[in-house]
Amino acid sequence: AQSVTQLGSHVSVSEGALVLLRCNYSSSVPPYLFWYVQYPNQGLQLLLKYTSAATLVKGINGFEAEFKKSETSFHLTKPSAHMSDAAEYFCAVTTNTGGFKTIFGAGTRLFVKA
Amino acid sequence: DAMVIQNPRYQVTQFGKPVTLSCSQTLNHNVMYWYQQKSSQAPKLLFHYYDKDFNNEADTPDNFQSRRPNTSFCFLDIRSPGLGDAAMYLCATSLGLSPGYNEQFFGPGTRLTVL
Repeated sequence: AQSVTQLGSHVSVSEGALVLLRCNYSSSVPPYLFWYVQYPNQGLQLLLKYTSAATLVKGINGFEAEFKKSETSFHLTKPSAHMSDAAEYFCAVTTNTGGFKTIFGAGTRLFVKA
Repeated sequence: DAMVIQNPRYQVTQFGKPVTLSCSQTLNHNVMYWYQQKSSQAPKLLFHYYDKDFNNEADTPDNFQSRRPNTSFCFLDIRSPGLGDAAMYLCATSLGLSPGYNEQFFGPGTRLTVL
């Protein structure tokens, strides 16, 4: 069965530093992967998605993620953190077990220090 | 702008008093989802509609029901809220279920408090 694991429930970076949020997936078929962001007291918003077209996926707000099949990873990065990036980030995968379903990881909360 | 709207944003109810949460969409999407999200946790899918077809998750309690009277609206009914049902409830939509069509668009959520 497909699943995602997000390493680190909390990540703290300084403003201007590299952001790296880790996501590893488990899938026996080519996966469809997503990163969503959730700001406090709001719904989730799609940052980017991997649909097997290109391994490096660019998203909104300067984020990008690279699909690495050999490492079964889909880590989210941003070269320079901004205070407004502080939020909860969820990695997700589409499963196909008894019908298609999106499975979310446990989430990583990003803190940005001034 | 096309969007997903949830009303109310904050709902307070009493233990055991039925409550209904509302979701509407202007995206004309086929699929509407209801998620429960507790603090610092991932959203947990309760059920979804594909058009009029209702799909309940196996572990969703019977206390939770849903209605979709038309394409645009979907309701979450909690028949007898318990303290453990206090959470953020998220509505989402997607064009379809299969990859390439299942990007989900979320509403802002309704935060439910049970007294």
